[in-house]
Amino acid sequence: AQSVTQLGSHVSVSEGALVLLRCNYSSSVPPYLFWYVQYPNQGLQLLLKYTSAATLVKGINGFEAEFKKSETSFHLTKPSAHMSDAAEYFCAVSGGYQKVTFGIGTKLQVIP
Amino acid sequence: DAGVIQSPRHEVTEMGQEVTLRCKPISGHDYLFWYRQTMMRGLELLIYFNNNVPIDDSGMPEDRFSAKMPNASFSTLKIQPSEPRDSAVYFCASSSSSRINTIYFGEGSWLTVV
Repeated sequence: AQSVTQLGSHVSVSEGALVLLRCNYSSSVPPYLFWYVQYPNQGLQLLLKYTSAATLVKGINGFEAEFKKSETSFHLTKPSAHMSDAAEYFCAVSGGYQKVTFGIGTKLQVIP
Repeated sequence: DAGVIQSPRHEVTEMGQEVTLRCKPISGHDYLFWYRQTMMRGLELLIYFNNNVPIDDSGMPEDRFSAKMPNASFSTLKIQPSEPRDSAVYFCASSSSSRINTIYFGEGSWLTVV
């Protein structure tokens, strides 16, 4: 079975500051890991995914995440927050099949 | 290319009524998922299909919920009878086995049961 834990349901950062959203996973098999973003009143959109290639994964809108097996983590970062980054972010895990399990989500607020 | 299309976008219904949510997956995708999103429970997988066959319905909350996929381009999620606790956003999503685990979501159906 697979699961993810997102630390912090709400995160606030100032515009231009570092964004760090935390995710830890549990998986009985080598995992596939994902970050999705959800803007208000919209569906989820894939930001980036880790599929056992490079451990540092770059995604859209300047986001990246690093897979750390020793820490069972897949934290999402962005060097400089922009107002348009305000959204809800979901970490997700899969055991290699199409069934994906999502975390509870982290709402990111960007303060001008 | 058209994305995943869901209808209706918004539905308000009275308790006890039947609700049918519809989904058209992306053409060529062989997996279809139904998710439910609530504030309390987050995003829950209800059921998913592969090549129109239900593979895992362990997330369906109770017998009031049913889902069908009569062909590769259409699926329904039905709630009968509906209850206020069914109020949520229901997402349909699809993916292709040729692109590992990249799931494409529709914009959701916002259901309110009063």
